[in-house]
Amino acid sequence: DAGVIQSPRHEVTEMGQEVTLRCKPISGHNSLFWYRQTMMRGLELLIYFNNNVPIDDSGMPEDRFSAKMPNASFSTLKIQPSEPRDSAVYFCASSLDSSAYNEQFFGPGTRLTVL
Amino acid sequence: QQPVQSPQAVILREGEDAVINCSSSKALYSVHWYRQKHGEAPVFLMILLKGGEQKGHEKISASFNEKKQQSSLYLTASQLSYSGTYFCGTEFPDGQNFVFGPGTRLSVLP
Repeated sequence: DAGVIQSPRHEVTEMGQEVTLRCKPISGHNSLFWYRQTMMRGLELLIYFNNNVPIDDSGMPEDRFSAKMPNASFSTLKIQPSEPRDSAVYFCASSLDSSAYNEQFFGPGTRLTVL
Repeated sequence: QQPVQSPQAVILREGEDAVINCSSSKALYSVHWYRQKHGEAPVFLMILLKGGEQKGHEKISASFNEKKQQSSLYLTASQLSYSGTYFCGTEFPDGQNFVFGPGTRLSVLP
């Protein structure tokens, strides 16, 4: 199994530009999570999906952030417009479902730098 | 409500033991433990669900106290490969989203 796949691995963009991060979860997993990691704020859950449906997006920082999961094998996290404070590592993780019993498998992350 | 982890950082020599604590002001539904090496993604270690539960994986084990407000991760006879940041992740019975603690940075020296 290839594990969780994220692209791109690195993204450098200028303030105001649109950024799209992509994630392919492990086949058969029904839950998908987007996290942001910074030195100041640690690992923050942004949003998670169950069976392609967004369950809770209360962690999404602002309306500039949006996430979609059009099918079971693909999700995107979009930032429009991007700002320097959005610079972080963004992880996608998947699990069999969102219950407390299941471990989350993390992708390698996308390191985003907004200049 | 983010759980509290202690210590924030610890430095060990190979072969020494360490304990990392994760605590909450209210009862937890579950505690997950993950390890993240520098520049890599977090990797799952174990989940504890029941008060009083203890689990082990080789020389790394964990406990979840009876009141379900604290979990401890025990690293025995540490190896160089144990270096990294250890995170506890918690869930609450009221359905609050999964929340990671701030992490404990562990450095094992030769």
